[in-house]
Amino acid sequence: EVRLVESGGGVVRPGESLRLTCEVSGFTFGDYGFSWVRQAPGKGLEWVSDIIWSGDKTGYADSVRGRFTISRDDGKHSLYLEMNSLRVDDTALYYCARANRAAEYFDFWGQGTLVAVSS
Amino acid sequence: DAVLTQSPEYLPVSLGERATINCTSSQSLLYSLDNKNYLAWYQQRPGQPPKLLIFWASTRESGVPERFSGSGSGTDFALTINSLQAEDVALYYCQQYFRSPPAFGQGTRVEIK
Repeated sequence: EVRLVESGGGVVRPGESLRLTCEVSGFTFGDYGFSWVRQAPGKGLEWVSDIIWSGDKTGYADSVRGRFTISRDDGKHSLYLEMNSLRVDDTALYYCARANRAAEYFDFWGQGTLVAVSS
Repeated sequence: DAVLTQSPEYLPVSLGERATINCTSSQSLLYSLDNKNYLAWYQQRPGQPPKLLIFWASTRESGVPERFSGSGSGTDFALTINSLQAEDVALYYCQQYFRSPPAFGQGTRVEIK
C-alpha cells in the first residue's frame, strides 16, 4: 500500500522556521519525484516546490523561493521542506504528493500537516 | 506561467443528473511531439486530500468510476460526472503539467441541488 505521511507542522510566529517531513512507504522511493502542495484555510491548491527522482533538480513557487528548501533522503524514504522566514500568508495545510513517473501529475497524496503562522 | 480558470465556481446538481466543469488554460497544453494534453483532474472531498481522477486530459485513473470522464484539447477542457451520486459532493481541480511550475485551477464546488 502506498503511503505518504507528513509531519512537522505547528504554530509559529512570523520570521520563525519549521521543517516538514514526508515519510513514504509502499513503493521504491528513489524512482519518483515529489512535490509539496499547500492549501490555505478555505482556499484552493497551491504548488509550492518539487524535487526530481535524483534530487539534482528542484523548483519553487515565486512566493517561497529563497525562503523554502526542498530535499530528500533516499535512505530514509523521506522528503523534507525547510521553511524559513515564515509569514502569515504561509499558513496552510501542507501536502506532499508523489509525481507520476511519466509526468508531473500527482497520483498519491498524504493527509497533510498544518502550519499556522501567527503573531 | 500557464493560468487555469475553472467555471463555474459553484455547481449545484440533482442526484442522477450530469455535472460538467470547465477548465480553460491561458496557454495550449497540447504537446505536438506526443499529441498529449498535459492536464489532470482531482477530486477533494471534505476533510480529505486531493485524489487523482483523470490525467492526459481524458485517461481515467485506475479505480475511478466510469461516470467520470475528461475531454478537451489545447486550451479548453471539461470534466463530466454522469449521473451524480451523493459521494461526488466535493471540490474539483484541474492541473496543468505542461510547463513548470505546475499549476491548479481555483476549484469548482459540486453540491447536491
